[in-house]
Amino acid sequence: QQPVQSPQAVILREGEDAVINCSSSKALYSVHWYRQKHGEAPVFLMILLKGGEQKGHDKISASFNEKKQQSSLYLTASQLSYSGTYFCGTESGYALNFGKGTSLLVTP
Amino acid sequence: EAQVTQNPRYLITVTGKKLTVTCSQNMNHEYMSWYRQDPGLGLRQIYYSMNVEVTDKGDVPEGYKVSRKEKRNFPLILESPSPNQTSLYFCASSPTRLADTQYFGPGTRLTVL
Repeated sequence: QQPVQSPQAVILREGEDAVINCSSSKALYSVHWYRQKHGEAPVFLMILLKGGEQKGHDKISASFNEKKQQSSLYLTASQLSYSGTYFCGTESGYALNFGKGTSLLVTP
Repeated sequence: EAQVTQNPRYLITVTGKKLTVTCSQNMNHEYMSWYRQDPGLGLRQIYYSMNVEVTDKGDVPEGYKVSRKEKRNFPLILESPSPNQTSLYFCASSPTRLADTQYFGPGTRLTVL
């Protein structure tokens, strides 16, 4: 039931862009995105609800295609602070299933 | 300060010795849940609770118990811990149903010898 994330890992230079994908085999009501720094708890980034809307703040945005059961997280002009592991989460009833994560490293 | 607290933060125990990890939130949230995090497996939901006295199994409930007698507390109980329950555990809460921000606690690192 875990959504599938890709890629598993990505290394960027500061200023480059990245896309992280999340797909599910089940119909989606919403998709959550979280970032976790090493040794810390996951921190909320955004939620996208059914309706295909695209959301974002600062240089991080996301899209949600409910027909394809997919979501993508876009990181633009990456900063060193973007490094961490990104998780998508999908709802199934009242349960929340997270993907295995995408490790992102931004280098100077 | 609005927060989710967990105790203990670190615990080393032996196989079979019952333990409880406490979780408390001061935000009057309805939804609470427990996750375990293992390398390469991401976050997996153990149990969740939609409100007081309402709990349900997540993806990996075997070997765990929970209770929700008060809105603010959601303890995780391991009746007979085994080494395969060695993991990093997170408690989280959200204001209402799931389509809402999950606030995570700081985590509890458990080692079962």
